[in-house]
Amino acid sequence: DTEVTQTPKHLVMGMTNKKSLKCEQHMGHRAMYWYKQKAKKPPELMFVYSYEKLSINESVPSRFSPECPNSSLLNLHLHALQPEDSALYLCASSQDHQYNEQFFGPGTRLTVL
Amino acid sequence: GQQVMQIPQYQHVQEGEDFTTYCNSSTTLSNIQWYKQRPGGHPVFLIQLVKSGEVKKQKRLTFQFGEAKKNSSLHITATQTTDVGTYFCAGLGNQFYFGTGTSLTVIP
Repeated sequence: DTEVTQTPKHLVMGMTNKKSLKCEQHMGHRAMYWYKQKAKKPPELMFVYSYEKLSINESVPSRFSPECPNSSLLNLHLHALQPEDSALYLCASSQDHQYNEQFFGPGTRLTVL
Repeated sequence: GQQVMQIPQYQHVQEGEDFTTYCNSSTTLSNIQWYKQRPGGHPVFLIQLVKSGEVKKQKRLTFQFGEAKKNSSLHITATQTTDVGTYFCAGLGNQFYFGTGTSLTVIP
């Protein structure tokens, strides 16, 4: 299985809502990543988990809260988001934490109203 | 801070023409990766280069890593309509950054 799955595909939420994005991989990868991508822009790294521990937090606002329940799962908890947080949220995984070949999921298209 | 710029931002080519995108970093990179993202899709890994001056080929695609490990290029020979998409370089300097991307349109 060389796939990274993400749910939901689309999410619309209000600024007072709490929601979660989910990501799963069964390739035995030990590093997992969250990226944010705005239209016509490159992906921006948000968080890196290595061996289920948060190793990188790229100065992301606290309204985004990552969680890695086990080596196959990665969640991104969302609370009190702003309309400018609307974007495509991509999850990726790699064999190790050295940013080597990353496998990306299809992403969650988030709209904040 | 570290920046990774790509030129051109957009490129329209006739099918069969060649295409090149250039990637330039403000800092030395320990590696450079290339990804392709189709419209509406997600980035797909193409290749990773690690050594100074390294050149790798994948069928019609040729990738180069500069001697100073601050720049890279991707060259596609005889483009096809399936090459359409945005090509991103991505590199690890003091942080991991994606380049600004080059959007390729191939006109049949």
